[in-house]
Amino acid sequence: QVQLQESGPGLVKPSETLSLTCTVSGASINKYYWSWIRQPPGKDLEWIGHIYYTGSTDYNPSLQSRLSISVDTSKTQFSLQLSSVTAADTAVYYCARFMSHYYGMDVWGRGTTVTVSS
Amino acid sequence: EIVLTQSPGTLSLSPGERATLSCRASQSITSSYLAWYQQTPGQAPRLLIYAASSRATGIPDRFSGSGSGTDFTLTISRLEPEDFAVYFCQHYVSSSWTFGQGTKVEVK
Repeated sequence: QVQLQESGPGLVKPSETLSLTCTVSGASINKYYWSWIRQPPGKDLEWIGHIYYTGSTDYNPSLQSRLSISVDTSKTQFSLQLSSVTAADTAVYYCARFMSHYYGMDVWGRGTTVTVSS
Repeated sequence: EIVLTQSPGTLSLSPGERATLSCRASQSITSSYLAWYQQTPGQAPRLLIYAASSRATGIPDRFSGSGSGTDFTLTISRLEPEDFAVYFCQHYVSSSWTFGQGTKVEVK
């Protein structure tokens, strides 16, 4: 059974960098796209970006200047770094996978809450 | 930018009733890249429907999707207790994913 698990600090100070890792178990990281999605309190889901197992990335244009997503196939992990965070970056952060845009995101992590506060 | 608007915001129904949820795009979209998800409190979203009308693995046949162009529908034929949740539509275009704001299906 494929499982995704997000990990990282639950509290980040304003202007610092938010770093999260998603660990994939039960499946290879190859042949899939790996995504980050977030949901601020009381708001809609927002796609952050995704990375193909080869390292190719697509980012949400609204976050692109602050965003980096990387993948480590040997550790079956992929990571998110979001710099210069503000309170607006407070959200539940989910990782998810998809094989192609046709099939949707079929496996999700349970999410991790990140609060930006001093 | 394509905006997905879901309606109604909240649907109050009883178990056994039929639920019809709408997802409207601000312009015509490719149905091949339209998906529906279910989210219960504290849980990750679960893929229900992909390509507008194909059920994901393990999804009961009481869930069905339809539509094309700008108007898409998720139908739950007979609500079970575990179906009371929030439902999101999602679309992919130009290397980006967009989500609707969600419809909450609550017990009447």
